Amino acid sequence: KAGVTQTPRYLIKTRGQQVTLSCSPISGHRSVSWYQQTPGQGLQFLFEYFSETQRNKGNFPGRFSGRQFSNSRSEMNVSTLELGDSALYLCASSPPGTGGTEAFFGQGTRLTVV
Amino acid sequence: AQSVAQPEDQVNVAEGNPLTVKCTYSVSGNPYLFWYVQYPNRGLQFLLKYITGDNLVKGSYGFEAEFNKSQTSFHLKKPSALVSDSALYFCAVRDIQRGGGNKLTFGTGTQLKVEL
Repeated sequence: KAGVTQTPRYLIKTRGQQVTLSCSPISGHRSVSWYQQTPGQGLQFLFEYFSETQRNKGNFPGRFSGRQFSNSRSEMNVSTLELGDSALYLCASSPPGTGGTEAFFGQGTRLTVV
Repeated sequence: AQSVAQPEDQVNVAEGNPLTVKCTYSVSGNPYLFWYVQYPNRGLQFLLKYITGDNLVKGSYGFEAEFNKSQTSFHLKKPSALVSDSALYFCAVRDIQRGGGNKLTFGTGTQLKVEL
């Protein structure tokens, strides 16, 4: 079974631009969560999608948004990029029926804002 | 809100010696606790979880963790460390959300360095 796939793996963007990151969950997983990892703030929850609906949201500004498609693939978008948005963005998927007790992470997308 | 704390930024241990990476938690209700490992420029890999039941949880790669309710701790252990265990380790707790859902709150991470 294929794991969680995130594309692209690396990205360099300029301040003020916008970016879209993609996450394909493990087949059969309907829950997709996004996390931001930085040296200063550690791992922080961005949001979670389940069956195309945002179920939870972390404390990030409205520049950070996401969506989920009917095939459970998810995208997150960051508009008006700031230098502080440079981070590793991790996606995790969870299988149904586990009550959130299992999360499988992708390898992440390394975003650098210059 | 649920939270976990990892009091050590770095743990150094000699290969072959036992290792312990510490984690304490603060939750309301029953905790769902996890350990993940991260290698450089990689995502997180699941090691083990505690949901309920036996306080000693066995996981991947020979790791185990001991759940201690009275001390609100969930320390990660391995009887004999390997150089290849050198990585960043995260303790996490499932943060119960009103509408359900899968949100993990992570500790700050502990860098484990195993030396020959």
